[in-house]
Amino acid sequence: GENVEQHPSTLSVQEGDSAVIKCTYSDSASNYFPWYKQELGKGPQLIIDIRSNVGEKKDQRIAVTLNKTAKHFSLHITETQPEDSAVYFCAASTNFGNEKLTFGTGTRLTIIP
Amino acid sequence: DARVTQTPRHKVTEMGQEVTMRCQPILGHNTVFWYRQTMMQGLELLAYFRNRAPLDDSGMPKDRFSAEMPDATLATLKIQPSEPRDSAVYFCASGLVLEQYFGPGTRLTVT
Repeated sequence: GENVEQHPSTLSVQEGDSAVIKCTYSDSASNYFPWYKQELGKGPQLIIDIRSNVGEKKDQRIAVTLNKTAKHFSLHITETQPEDSAVYFCAASTNFGNEKLTFGTGTRLTIIP
Repeated sequence: DARVTQTPRHKVTEMGQEVTMRCQPILGHNTVFWYRQTMMQGLELLAYFRNRAPLDDSGMPKDRFSAEMPDATLATLKIQPSEPRDSAVYFCASGLVLEQYFGPGTRLTVT
């Protein structure tokens, strides 16, 4: 089955700086890679996703890159703000997401004001 | 603003009792997922349905867990009998083609 590894497990950055979280996956059949943000006491919230036919996708301050050859993908948050503090999960799936997600172990991001 | 709803939000029960968690997926979504989140195991899939038919329940302990979709607007996850190791947050998610949207979760504590 699929295995997703995520690094780092914790990350602290100064407000305004950039944050990068990296994930690797094992199953070459995976073709959909979403990122979720989870705030305390809430369910994971989808913030951005990328399909395997795309190398990069950007949405305002958030971007995701995918390297299919190396089987890794990354989340980039620029101009970080205190409200970006949360736990971020990467995930991988086949069938473009309409199958089960295999999640990484999460990154606790803390933005230092 | 369509969203997945789950009830109850919190449940405390004693070992051996039956627990039923309910989920209302987003209207029109044809796929429903049940995930469990713990500190030790992270987020793991328990079961999922498409068009109300179970597709994969390999993540569930079969002897005590059961999942059903009585109709398109309701999914249930039942634990009988419950054990302390079942303490976790249980999430339901629904989707149609690509994205999966999560509910707020049911925090279960089994004493």
